Amino acid sequence: NAGVTQTPKFRILKIGQSMTLQCTQDMNHNYMYWYRQDPGMGLKLIYYSVGAGITDKGEVPNGYNVSRSTTEDFPLRLELAAPSQTSVYFCASRGQGSDEQYFGPGTRLTVT
Amino acid sequence: AQSVAQPEDQVNVAEGNPLTVKCTYSVSGNPYLFWYVQYPNRGLQFLLKYITGDNLVKGSYGFEAEFNKSQTSFHLKKPSALVSDSALYFCAVRSYSSASKIIFGSGTRLSIRP
Repeated sequence: NAGVTQTPKFRILKIGQSMTLQCTQDMNHNYMYWYRQDPGMGLKLIYYSVGAGITDKGEVPNGYNVSRSTTEDFPLRLELAAPSQTSVYFCASRGQGSDEQYFGPGTRLTVT
Repeated sequence: AQSVAQPEDQVNVAEGNPLTVKCTYSVSGNPYLFWYVQYPNRGLQFLLKYITGDNLVKGSYGFEAEFNKSQTSFHLKKPSALVSDSALYFCAVRSYSSASKIIFGSGTRLSIRP
């Protein structure tokens, strides 16, 4: 099992550009999450999904969109990148009936 | 609304000494509490959880945590620190009624000196 994989590892965007952060898990987990980690701020929940076709907003959803067309994939879309979106982004998943989240290695995004 | 506070940005301990990383929480109803660890340039790894039962829960790498309902705390502890324990530690909480949303604290950097 690869667990949770994220691509790319690093990305630099110019203001106003768009991009998609990819997240895939091979554990057949129902729940998937996107977090951003800013220095000294811990993890903030952006969006989450409880299963294919179902997504919901977390604490800081503005400027982001998600989709969940399959159980395995949960991409995060930035439409108009802003410097405030410079952060490290983590995807996570967990199975039904389990509280343990499995995290991907993260994507470090810089918007200049 | 649920929230988690980790009052210390950094904790410094000498190797072999006991360590404590503090966490307090606020949640409606019974809490589900977690500790995660993050090593440099890695994602978070699960350490332990409290759902119900014994107030002292044991987890990975010799860590344990004590749930105190009256103080709404869930402090992480280890009897004898190792240099390899140096990392960033996160406390997290969710409520019984909110199965999907888990809220993380701001993190505490643990530094163990030889």
